[in-house]
Amino acid sequence: GAVVSQHPSRVICKSGTSVKIECRSLDFQATTMFWYRQFPKQSLMLMATSNEGSKATYEQGVEKDKFLINHASLTLSTLTVTSAHPEDSSFYICSAMETGLNTEAFFGQGTRLTVV
Amino acid sequence: AQSVTQLGSHVSVSEGALVLLRCNYSSSVPPYLFWYVQYPNQGLQLLLKYTSAATLVKGINGFEAEFKKSETSFHLTKPSAHMSDAAEYFCAVSPWGGGGNKLTFGTGTQLKVEL
Repeated sequence: GAVVSQHPSRVICKSGTSVKIECRSLDFQATTMFWYRQFPKQSLMLMATSNEGSKATYEQGVEKDKFLINHASLTLSTLTVTSAHPEDSSFYICSAMETGLNTEAFFGQGTRLTVV
Repeated sequence: AQSVTQLGSHVSVSEGALVLLRCNYSSSVPPYLFWYVQYPNQGLQLLLKYTSAATLVKGINGFEAEFKKSETSFHLTKPSAHMSDAAEYFCAVSPWGGGGNKLTFGTGTQLKVEL
């Protein structure tokens, strides 16, 4: 299957700083990427849909100014958590769907963010 | 609107026993259905998917699932559990035609395999 690489796998940052998480499709082009958040012992909650070359579509309740998404190329989407606070600590997972196909999204390995 | 319900947040089986993880869906359109597995601190790996072809879907690692429209179910089974199957399992639904493959996940079932 196709490979999606997410970096970093773990990051610890101080309150008030910003953190950028990268999601790359390594062997396919992805017009659409998705960002999920997963709290401990809970399911994945979709945060936003990232479309190459256009603004991301955020789910209800997700602060777009806090979670900045950029999808500048067909193989890269980034999520920046701005002015991070301890409550932003979570597991963030991206997925990517191959352009032109519509049946499966491939997931990255996830990023464990801890804000101290 | 779509949703999935996974019955049982924790399932425990003996090694070699049948694994049955339950998933019921709700969808206003013909759905795509998926089962994913997640190991600790890792992303999701696709086990299998239903996309309107055969109703009995075979996946990786010996897992299979059957789409039953009359019961709106897509339960995951494996005839004989192995220790390496211990993980979190998520059922997910996506609208027919992809809808951008916007997945809605169930709350997950933690599978424990005992000797």
